[in-house]
Amino acid sequence: KNQVEQSPQSLIILEGKNCTLQCNYTVSPFSNLRWYKQDTGRGPVSLTIMTFSENTKSNGRYTATLDADTKQSSLHITASQLSDSASYICVVSVSWGSGTYKYIFGTGTRLKVLA
Amino acid sequence: KAGVTQTPRYLIKTRGQQVTLSCSPISGHRSVSWYQQTPGQGLQFLFEYFSETQRNKGNFPGRFSGRQFSNSRSEMNVSTLELGDSALYLCASTDRDSYNEQFFGPGTRLTVL
Repeated sequence: KNQVEQSPQSLIILEGKNCTLQCNYTVSPFSNLRWYKQDTGRGPVSLTIMTFSENTKSNGRYTATLDADTKQSSLHITASQLSDSASYICVVSVSWGSGTYKYIFGTGTRLKVLA
Repeated sequence: KAGVTQTPRYLIKTRGQQVTLSCSPISGHRSVSWYQQTPGQGLQFLFEYFSETQRNKGNFPGRFSGRQFSNSRSEMNVSTLELGDSALYLCASTDRDSYNEQFFGPGTRLTVL
């Protein structure tokens, strides 16, 4: 069964601290993995997208890693800011070729950054 | 390029009514997907349209329907609204030239009283 699990479900950290969010997936055939940031009441915004051959990708203070062997990904946030308070959603894309694909969504990690 | 736009942004309806939500994808994107998001369930896939044809459908009752026009704009309709339909409805357009990356709109917040 195609599944994406994220942990922790929620996280509270102090401003300036680092944190790491986890995403484990059981998906086949894997196409790519993305991390989205979603502010409350808004649509998700893409942070990174990684294919099978990519191990690390950065976007400013956000760094995503992918281990295709263990089917795990992490999103590391460096020097957190109050504006990082949001939900972070991991999405894995399954593709059977010929333009046929499907997205499997994790339920997200809700991050709260405190001053 | 302008982003994905959704109208209206907020909507209040009563049980039994019907509602139509609209989504305009990014110019050049021909695929539009709809999602329902509730606090406990996360993002739930409703359906996807490509070139005016429904290509994929999630596990929602027939009260939820959609369509896509020749200009790729899409509408979603919910008939006989129930309290449980209260949610954020998100539309996403897909860039097939970039790993099928989805770009989400700001959503329509529907409240059913």
